[in-house]
Amino acid sequence: DAGVTQSPTHLIKTRGQHVTLRCSPISGHKSVSWYQQVLGQGPQFIFQYYEKEERGRGNFPDRFSARQFPNYSSELNVNALLLGDSALYLCASSLASGSEGYTFGSGTRLTVV
Amino acid sequence: EDQVTQSPEALRLQEGESSSLNCSYTVSGLRGLFWYRQDPGKGPEFLFTLYSAGEEKEKERLKATLTKKESFLHITAPKPEDSATYLCAVQAGSNYQLIWGAGTKLIIKP
Repeated sequence: DAGVTQSPTHLIKTRGQHVTLRCSPISGHKSVSWYQQVLGQGPQFIFQYYEKEERGRGNFPDRFSARQFPNYSSELNVNALLLGDSALYLCASSLASGSEGYTFGSGTRLTVV
Repeated sequence: EDQVTQSPEALRLQEGESSSLNCSYTVSGLRGLFWYRQDPGKGPEFLFTLYSAGEEKEKERLKATLTKKESFLHITAPKPEDSATYLCAVQAGSNYQLIWGAGTKLIIKP
């Protein structure tokens, strides 16, 4: 079975640009979460979607947005990129509440120059 | 405010030298405590979920335990392939998000 797949794996963008990151969950998983991980730190929660509805939002500016599609895949969009947005962006999927555990993808490494 | 703290930040062991990693937490209404392993440039890999104080889970050389204030990840007779960053996270209250510690970087020397 395919795990959580994220694309692209690496991305370099210029300050002020926009970026879209994509995630496909494990088949049968209806919840997708997005996390930002800066080098040397634990992941920080950005969004969670379940059945196409936003179920949680972390402390990130409005430049960050996301959505979930009918096939449960998801996109994370970041506008007006800042140097500080450089990080590993992780997508995780779960069956529902996540109390059974989340499965993470390998992430998208975003570098803003 | 919900908080998770891991110690030590880094740990170097000789192959076969057993030790423990600590994860202390301050949350309202713990629903689950998770341990993950993360290799450089990769996403976290799920290891264990613990739900209540007194619970223990084992997998190969790893054993996780939980009290009301902290969790320990015990590693017995580690091998070089156990080298990784070990992350602890909690899910609490009505929130579905995971709150993470900064991780312990474990290095096992042959």
